[in-house]
Amino acid sequence: EVQLVESGGGLVQPGGSVRLSCAASGFTFINYWMHWVRQAPGGGLVWVSRINVDGSDATYADSVKGRFTVSRDNAKNTVYLQMNSLRVDDTAVYYCTRGGGPIDSWGQGTLVTVSS
Amino acid sequence: DIQMTQSPSSLSASVGDRVTITCRASQGIRNDLGWYQQKPGTAPKRLMYAASTLQSGVPSRFSGSGSGTEFTLTISSLQPEDFATYYCLQYNSYPWMFGQGTKVEIK
Repeated sequence: EVQLVESGGGLVQPGGSVRLSCAASGFTFINYWMHWVRQAPGGGLVWVSRINVDGSDATYADSVKGRFTVSRDNAKNTVYLQMNSLRVDDTAVYYCTRGGGPIDSWGQGTLVTVSS
Repeated sequence: DIQMTQSPSSLSASVGDRVTITCRASQGIRNDLGWYQQKPGTAPKRLMYAASTLQSGVPSRFSGSGSGTEFTLTISSLQPEDFATYYCLQYNSYPWMFGQGTKVEIK
């Protein structure tokens, strides 16, 4: 069974940083691109970023480009999202997802609240 | 960037009704479209990919159609467990884009 378990969310001040982690299990991690998707409270789904299988290439939504960095450690079956220069409008549940033409599995999400 | 326009944003329907949700892409995306269902407080679940391919385990009352710029998700006979919010996703080119969502409520 595919499992994606996010961690690292919490309350952070505007301008601050946080790193999300996503531990994957139940599938061959190195075979899949991974994506992050977020959802603001009461809002819709927004694609944030993706990383390829070996971590050599990543793509970002314009709203986070230059502030967020996605990475992965295939030895640990884990994908990360480093979030810097956080803004109030980055407040959202962040979902780790597996890219399977297209997204076919989701974690339970981790809430990041940006507030002073 | 490819924009996705989903309609309606919400609808009220009764058990047994036929329901249709539409997504329009701002430019052609072949059939690179997925549909997702989300219930309150839970992660989304994939219903469909490649516009019309049903995800394993999803009831056959769900169907998808379309290619290019216009796509539809149809629920042939709405069941109580289908009341949820539905999203389309274009994965033809980055940045991937979700539709705004359609909330299906009980009439």
